[in-house]
Amino acid sequence: AQTVTQSQPEMSVQEAETVTLSCTYDTSESNYYLFWYKQPPSRQMILVIRQEAYKQQNATENRFSVNFQKAAKSFSLKISDSQLGDTAMYFCALNTGNQFYFGTGTSLTVIP
Amino acid sequence: EPEVTQTPSHQVTQMGQEVILRCVPISNHLYFYWYRQILGQKVEFLVSFYNNEISEKSEIFDDQFSVERPDGSNFTLKIRSTKLEDSAMYFCASSQELAADTQYFGPGTRLTVL
Repeated sequence: AQTVTQSQPEMSVQEAETVTLSCTYDTSESNYYLFWYKQPPSRQMILVIRQEAYKQQNATENRFSVNFQKAAKSFSLKISDSQLGDTAMYFCALNTGNQFYFGTGTSLTVIP
Repeated sequence: EPEVTQTPSHQVTQMGQEVILRCVPISNHLYFYWYRQILGQKVEFLVSFYNNEISEKSEIFDDQFSVERPDGSNFTLKIRSTKLEDSAMYFCASSQELAADTQYFGPGTRLTVL
């Protein structure tokens, strides 16, 4: 069975500061993909960043980067230079084939 | 940029009634999905659909649920006899390919069963 765990239900960060959201997962599959999705108050989930498990290099997308530790099954998201528009629920997700497995989410608030 | 769209944005229904939730996936995508999110809980997979048939479904997707692609653009989720516990946000998603590919989510339909 696949599981995704986000241990931080809520976090806050000052505008322009850096914040890291944690995610751990479990799967017996050797080939899988990891994602971070952002769900703003408007509720549409938007892809933030994507990581292929077979790639050792951590994915980066502008102010967003991940720390992918395959052996530890850890996939954290770092947001640099936080902006007010980053306020949202962030979901970590695992895809091993046909469906996504989501964590319970971390509610991030960026404080002006 | 192409988007997944869903209608209606909010549906209120009486327990026992049938509802149909509609989705228009991104036009060149081949794989379609439904997820639900009960308020305050995580997003849960319901079903995936490819080549006009269900390719995978979860335990949640029982006989009360069905999916259909009635034409070349729409993808629907039907709940035959709604229960109170069906109240949730329902998200449609689509992707070009399985596994590796990113799934693009619609804005969701909030279903309220009274």
